[in-house]
Amino acid sequence: NFMLTQPHSVSESPGKTVTISCTGSRGSIATNYVQWYQQRPGSVPTTVIYEDDQRPSGVPDRFSGSIDSSSNSASLTISGLKTEDEADYYCQSYVGDNRWVFGGGTKLTVL
Amino acid sequence: QVQLVQSGAEVKKPGASVKVSCKASGYTFANYYMHWVRQAPGQGLEWMGVINPSGGPTSYAQKFQVRITMSRDTSTSTVYMELNNLTSADTAVYYCARDGNSFDIWGQGTMVTVSS
Repeated sequence: NFMLTQPHSVSESPGKTVTISCTGSRGSIATNYVQWYQQRPGSVPTTVIYEDDQRPSGVPDRFSGSIDSSSNSASLTISGLKTEDEADYYCQSYVGDNRWVFGGGTKLTVL
Repeated sequence: QVQLVQSGAEVKKPGASVKVSCKASGYTFANYYMHWVRQAPGQGLEWMGVINPSGGPTSYAQKFQVRITMSRDTSTSTVYMELNNLTSADTAVYYCARDGNSFDIWGQGTMVTVSS
């Protein structure tokens, strides 16, 4: 089964930049779009990036997404970190045959 | 406004079944697939399956294949997820999520607790 692997946790200081990776287990991660979701404690997930690098309206341009085919990875980069960015982040993709998958999630701590 | 409203929390005994509903409003129900995603306490998001509200086959994650059923009622713009033969490992928050250009709209979640 296709899997998306994320680091369990990352931490960075306010004002800095952090990148969260999402690595595909096989094939090419570039074959299907990757989405990123933010989930604050006790809240419902919300989309911060869709279709690899697109931001929904209302999401600040501090959030960006990219694909690196050479490492078969997607990345979520958050610049100018704010304490409000502290949350869990999940990557997600369609894996074919009418099935979807989430990465295991990354806990971002802004300290 | 566009929203998904789910049914309330459930407490079930092991071996029982649970059926969670998700009522859509504010958009054309038939135009968007609906997914079910669950999240066990302290754990990540897990995709369970998808239903096409306008008809056609559903698709389920392999681990749930034998004990899950998704259905819809177009007259009330509601989708349902039924999970059978519950165990304590099924204790989780269950979400419905609309498939836009991402899972763009989520229900508020339904807590299902499985306990003897």
